[in-house]
Amino acid sequence: SQTIHQWPATLVQPVGSPLSLECTVEGTSNPNLYWYRQAAGRGLQLLFYSVGIGQISSEVPQNLSASRPQDRQFILSSKKLLLSDSGFYLCAWSITPYEQYFGPGTRLTVT
Amino acid sequence: AQSVTQLDSQVPVFEEAPVELRCNYSSSVSVYLFWYVQYPNQGLQLLLKYLSGSTLVKGINGFEAEFNKSQTSFHLRKPSVHISDTAEYFCAVTQRDSGGYQKVTFGIGTKLQVIP
Repeated sequence: SQTIHQWPATLVQPVGSPLSLECTVEGTSNPNLYWYRQAAGRGLQLLFYSVGIGQISSEVPQNLSASRPQDRQFILSSKKLLLSDSGFYLCAWSITPYEQYFGPGTRLTVT
Repeated sequence: AQSVTQLDSQVPVFEEAPVELRCNYSSSVSVYLFWYVQYPNQGLQLLLKYLSGSTLVKGINGFEAEFNKSQTSFHLRKPSVHISDTAEYFCAVTQRDSGGYQKVTFGIGTKLQVIP
């Protein structure tokens, strides 16, 4: 069966510090991968998606970036965090155009 | 472009009462429709989906939804809610197309609060 992992589960970082969030998927090959941010009262905002290794599409211009160094690994990064980067970050995967499967999320607080 | 509207940001309901969470979508092409549930500090979990066929779709935890093409709606219902149904519910839509990547658009969510 397929599983998706995210770490860390929670993170508190000062403004201006770097960020690296990792997502890995097990039990499937060549999935589509997604990073979402969920801020209070704003639903899910798609940040990046990837259809293959090294293929990243950005949905929202900002100070975040994403990389996919391996088929089942998706990394969200920032060189300098802003207060507005606080939120709940969700990674998801899909194989078909149907449902997406979500990870447990990372709660990021920028202080 | 497709969009999803969840008309109610919060819905309080007494335990064992029925509930309906509303979802409307707009798209220029045929779509697939989904409802997800999110419990506090967790990821989203698929509740049910409409791909084709019967317009009444049954999901987990006793939920069901009805696809209404003429009204472009996909409302979620449960005849009798439990305390454990307290969560946030997201409606989502993706275009029906042949193969390839398709972006999913989510609504802003409806918080269901079940009152004892």
